[in-house]
Amino acid sequence: DAGVIQSPRHEVTEMGQEVTLRCKPISGHNSLFWYRQTMMRGLELLIYFNNNVPIDDSGMPEDRFSAKMPNASFSTLKIQPSEPRDSAVYFCASTPGGLRTEAFFGQGTRLTVV
Amino acid sequence: SQQGEEDPQALSIQEGENATMNCSYKTSINNLQWYRQNSGRGLVHLILIRSNEREKHSGRLRVTLDTSKKSSSLLITASRAADTASYFCATDLGGSYIPTFGRGTSLIVHP
Repeated sequence: DAGVIQSPRHEVTEMGQEVTLRCKPISGHNSLFWYRQTMMRGLELLIYFNNNVPIDDSGMPEDRFSAKMPNASFSTLKIQPSEPRDSAVYFCASTPGGLRTEAFFGQGTRLTVV
Repeated sequence: SQQGEEDPQALSIQEGENATMNCSYKTSINNLQWYRQNSGRGLVHLILIRSNEREKHSGRLRVTLDTSKKSSSLLITASRAADTASYFCATDLGGSYIPTFGRGTSLIVHP
């Protein structure tokens, strides 16, 4: 398995533009997490899906952020409109589920909003 | 909210020395995990210790867990320059199976 795949690896966009980050979890994993990493705030959990259903989105900063998981092999995190303070590295991670809770991370998307 | 907090924030040692990092957390857990992150990369899972375990080994890694003190330590023995990375502990917040991370310890091993 290729692991968790995120795209794009880098994204530079202008303030006000829509940004869509993509994630393909490991096949067979039933939980998916979106995290945001910054120097100031560390690694923050944004949203968590279990069997494609959003379970906890309390970490989503505001209504400009939305996430979907239309099927077991694909998830998106959308920011509309983007702001400079959204600049961060966004990670997607998946876990096998059940008693196996070790998270497998993608390489991240480095987002810069100018 | 941050569940686990690593200490120290930064650690600089010479190759061959041991490196010890600590993690404290606030609520009950099912397990605690340690991860490593190389610069510009995603986190990689190192080791998981369950709440009913006190010590676990994996190669040069030794993890301890003290649930009465709500703390864990990660020991890397005979460190190598390639161990240079950030190390994070993650707990399942309140037994929720959601990995919740601390801010990490930045380890530099000088050759």
